Amino acid sequence: AQTVTQSQPEMSVQEAETVTLSCTYDTSENNYYLFWYKQPPSRQMILVIRQEAYKQQNATENRFSVNFQKAAKSFSLKISDSQLGDTAMYFCAFMTLQGGGQNFVFGPGTRLSVLP
Amino acid sequence: SAVISQKPSRDICQRGTSLTIQCQVDSQVTMMFWYRQQPGQSLTLIATANQGSEATYESGFVIDKFPISRPNLTFSTLTVSNMSPEDSSIYLCSAGGAGRGKLFFGSGTQLSVL
Repeated sequence: AQTVTQSQPEMSVQEAETVTLSCTYDTSENNYYLFWYKQPPSRQMILVIRQEAYKQQNATENRFSVNFQKAAKSFSLKISDSQLGDTAMYFCAFMTLQGGGQNFVFGPGTRLSVLP
Repeated sequence: SAVISQKPSRDICQRGTSLTIQCQVDSQVTMMFWYRQQPGQSLTLIATANQGSEATYESGFVIDKFPISRPNLTFSTLTVSNMSPEDSSIYLCSAGGAGRGKLFFGSGTQLSVL
């Protein structure tokens, strides 16, 4: 079975500081995608960053970057210069393309609070 | 990216009634998905909405309880039937395609059943 684990149910960080959210996954597939989604209180699921497993280079999007360790099946998210608007639930997700379809698996989430 | 409009954004319903949630995508997409997010929980896939054929349901979800329509490549509906308080959740529509390698979400429907 494919699973995604986020070992930190809650985290907090001071505004302008850096925080790292952990994610590990388990799969026997070799080709897949990894994602971090943000869900603020508005409920909207927002794609933060995406990584293709065949790419060794870590993805970056402005203040957000990942540390992708394929052998260790680890995919952590680093948020630099944290802002109050980063307060949200963060979900790590994993997707394979099976039988021409998509198979998404979401982790349990990490609640991040950015403190003023 | 795809822009997804979902409505209603929230509703309060009586036990035993049904609610239909609509999802409109601004471009044609191969696959649309319906998720449930119970309070404080992660997302659970209810079903994949296929255009021109019946939806594919995940274990624990049945068509009689959650009928889905997908009349074209930009629109889908999910009905929550014969509701009970246990159905109180956020319901999320999403869309993507194998070629996209991404999943986009609507803004969700907050459902409360009294």
